[in-house]
Amino acid sequence: GENVEQHPSTLSVQEGDSAVIKCTYSDSASNYFPWYKQELGKGPQLIIDIRSNVGEKKDQRIAVTLNKTAKHFSLHITETQPEDSAVYFCAASIMNRDDKIIFGKGTRLHILP
Amino acid sequence: DAMVIQNPRYQVTQFGKPVTLSCSQTLNHNVMYWYQQKSSQAPKLLFHYYDKDFNNEADTPDNFQSRRPNTSFCFLDIRSPGLGDAAMYLCATSRGRAYAEQYFGPGTRLTVT
Repeated sequence: GENVEQHPSTLSVQEGDSAVIKCTYSDSASNYFPWYKQELGKGPQLIIDIRSNVGEKKDQRIAVTLNKTAKHFSLHITETQPEDSAVYFCAASIMNRDDKIIFGKGTRLHILP
Repeated sequence: DAMVIQNPRYQVTQFGKPVTLSCSQTLNHNVMYWYQQKSSQAPKLLFHYYDKDFNNEADTPDNFQSRRPNTSFCFLDIRSPGLGDAAMYLCATSRGRAYAEQYFGPGTRLTVT
């Protein structure tokens, strides 16, 4: 079955700097890659996703890149702000086959003042 | 606003005393999921419904059961909670198949005394 590896497990960046979180997946059939942000005591919130027919997607300060050949995808947050502090999960799924997503183990992002 | 609602937000139960957690959605999504999330871990899928079709994960203990009486509601029953069942329980929904985005509720924090 699918396995998703996520790195790093913890990341501290200075406010205003960029943060990058990387994930790899094992099943080449995976074609949908969401990213979730989870704040303390809350449910995960979908912040951006990418399908395998595109290599990059951007939404304001957040971007995701996908390399299908290498089977890895990354989340980029630019101009980080204190409210970006949270746990971020990457995930992978096979649309039209499974109704499930496989999560990475998460990255705790700390934005330092 | 369309959303996923979980009640209660906090639940305390005694060891061995059955407990039911509830989830409702106004998104009219086909799929409803129950996840268990322990501290500093990724959400772990327990089971999901595609409409009325129930899909159990192979490693979900028999102690966990679920009911989906209609499109809007789904329940998680823990028949005999143990101390190891203390966790955050997350409900999520998706349209399913080609629409893989999952939307999470705020979660129910279960404490077992």
